[in-house]
Amino acid sequence: DSGVTQTPKHLITATGQRVTLRCSPRSGDLSVYWYQQSLDQGLQFLIQYYNGEERAKGNILERFSAQQFPDLHSELNLSSLELGDSALYFCASSANGGRSGEQFFGPGTRLTVL
Amino acid sequence: AQKITQTQPGMFVQEKEAVTLDCTYDTSDPSYGLFWYKQPSSGEMIFLIYQGSYDQQNATEGRYSLNFQKARKSANLVISASQLGDSAMYFCAMREPNTPLVFGKGTRLSVIA
Repeated sequence: DSGVTQTPKHLITATGQRVTLRCSPRSGDLSVYWYQQSLDQGLQFLIQYYNGEERAKGNILERFSAQQFPDLHSELNLSSLELGDSALYFCASSANGGRSGEQFFGPGTRLTVL
Repeated sequence: AQKITQTQPGMFVQEKEAVTLDCTYDTSDPSYGLFWYKQPSSGEMIFLIYQGSYDQQNATEGRYSLNFQKARKSANLVISASQLGDSAMYFCAMREPNTPLVFGKGTRLSVIA
């Protein structure tokens, strides 16, 4: 158990819909990262938050947005869903200033868009 | 730009044998970190081992060791005494300061009894 929690574990929805994925980082970790893992694209970095502020942005679509709240949990919002958004979405956290910045991953949310 | 290459899509190893999973990387930054993660069929990503670019010795964590050859820009993962539970996808990743992790495409390891 990495200490990072993600809900829900599975999500099935239809095209055009909007969903929210939730992540709670390990206790004390200030950084939260979101990744998308799909068969064709592999593991892709989406976005990073550090202590409530956006720190880095990767291949995140405009239909996707995220935020980190004062209690450090984070949400990833996916809207106008398309079939191609079906993927495993991971949240990871790290303690900034740690030895290496190793990231600990949550169990993931498997999103299926029908 | 960062780049991670894992050239072995799949590997087979006999139980109790050692196996090496290859990883090469490309970066122009002298400061970076190299990571290996394991992803079993259940889907979670499990952190295995870390090697810093300035570390003098190869990293080891139990049955995992990282064969770090800086001049060759390679960071191969060695798993000793393979177990059936080691069957999984293995991802090599790299991180430069203040940048996110970049992952390779992974190697699927199958341990045979």
